[in-house]
Amino acid sequence: DADVTQTPRNRITKTGKRIMLECSQTKGHDRMYWYRQDPGLGLRLIYYSFDVKDINKGEISDGYSVSRQAQAKFSLSLESAIPNQTALYFCATSDRTGIQETQYFGPGTRLLVL
Amino acid sequence: AQKVTQAQTEISVVEKEDVTLDCVYETRDTTYYLFWYKQPPSGELVFLIRRNSFDEQNEISGRYSWNFQKSTSSFNFTITASQVVDSAVYFCALSEARRGSTLGRLYFGRGTQLTVWP
Repeated sequence: DADVTQTPRNRITKTGKRIMLECSQTKGHDRMYWYRQDPGLGLRLIYYSFDVKDINKGEISDGYSVSRQAQAKFSLSLESAIPNQTALYFCATSDRTGIQETQYFGPGTRLLVL
Repeated sequence: AQKVTQAQTEISVVEKEDVTLDCVYETRDTTYYLFWYKQPPSGELVFLIRRNSFDEQNEISGRYSWNFQKSTSSFNFTITASQVVDSAVYFCALSEARRGSTLGRLYFGRGTQLTVWP
């Protein structure tokens, strides 16, 4: 089984709809992240969480919210989806050992907002 | 501020050729980490390597090798004897690693699309 799973893998929605993307991990990591990928732009950080009670905005958090329901679960919500939120969304987890850290990514969720 | 530049947007080679993907970074931190990730056509991101800023030894893993040069702020990735399965987008990324830092976010380059033709 995959260590980091994302659901759904693909989603089409309409402008104005609320949508939730879910991420679960079995790696036992404390840190979780949400990124979006747009063609030609690499990945940009939306939100990150270092534990259940610690949630922080990334560089492009406007229009998004998150919920860390448990150590293993980190959900991303689009309260009112708009077309420019069409992108590939990745969840990542990491286990910071000392000052070393490697992030491991889920398979991604392709979102299309019409 | 941290920044990663992958100047090569697309590269095409024929199978068995060697290919080098360039990565140049900027950071004010004295301790940092550099990464390479592979994104095949299926879309997932696969971790390839992490390199610490205080370790400038080059690394080889099978057909893959990495050349880290602090003097030129570069962390280049070479695939020897490329294969069709190497076709993917490759991302270089940087993270800070100061002691006491609570932010381990990754700064990604825009990626290089590598196409290997049979």
